[in-house]
Amino acid sequence: ETGVTQTPRHLVMGMTNKKSLKCEQHLGHNAMYWYKQSAKKPLELMFVYNFKEQTENNSVPSRFSPECPNSSHLFLHLHTLQPEDSALYLCASSQGAEYTGELFFGEGSRLTVL
Amino acid sequence: GENVEQHPSTLSVQEGDSAVIKCTYSDSASNYFPWYKQELGKRPQLIIDIRSNVGEKKDQRIAVTLNKTAKHFSLHITETQPEDSAVYFCASMDSNYQLIWGAGTKLIIKP
Repeated sequence: ETGVTQTPRHLVMGMTNKKSLKCEQHLGHNAMYWYKQSAKKPLELMFVYNFKEQTENNSVPSRFSPECPNSSHLFLHLHTLQPEDSALYLCASSQGAEYTGELFFGEGSRLTVL
Repeated sequence: GENVEQHPSTLSVQEGDSAVIKCTYSDSASNYFPWYKQELGKRPQLIIDIRSNVGEKKDQRIAVTLNKTAKHFSLHITETQPEDSAVYFCASMDSNYQLIWGAGTKLIIKP
């Protein structure tokens, strides 16, 4: 498979659950990103990994915990979330974090927190 | 901090007419301006981009213009077609290579 793949596509969880989102890219890119997308709002950058090292954490609450075991895989671990965390979570990759070029997005994981 | 304003939030045009979406940015050091299209239930995809050393760029029915002095850039779509219906996002890249996004424009093409 090519491109950026995210699983699961849909997730419903209670506030006390622990779950994880997974992202995989087959493009040979060195940078991976997590974005939060809410209706009628700008895309919110959450985390950036460049060559497996976290280079950006945009004041994201600790209930979101990223993990990047290698440059092809990115996880977002979720625990004790709030209903306002319900959103579409998009993973993206690019050639490098300091690069003016295309971001390749996954289809997203639609998260609903009850 | 840096922000990007995008207008309008919703745009409805007759099929075959032109559509224009405008964005303004605040960081004068911004040097890269992409536009992404997101169809319903799909991923955002880059449709065109422009760098600060260029004033205009065209790709078939799509064009982007940049006015660095006024700090605004626009997306122009001519001869609109039903498949142009989507949400369009502008962005500007700041001096830390971080993309700052607009809130999106929902483009509706009326048959």
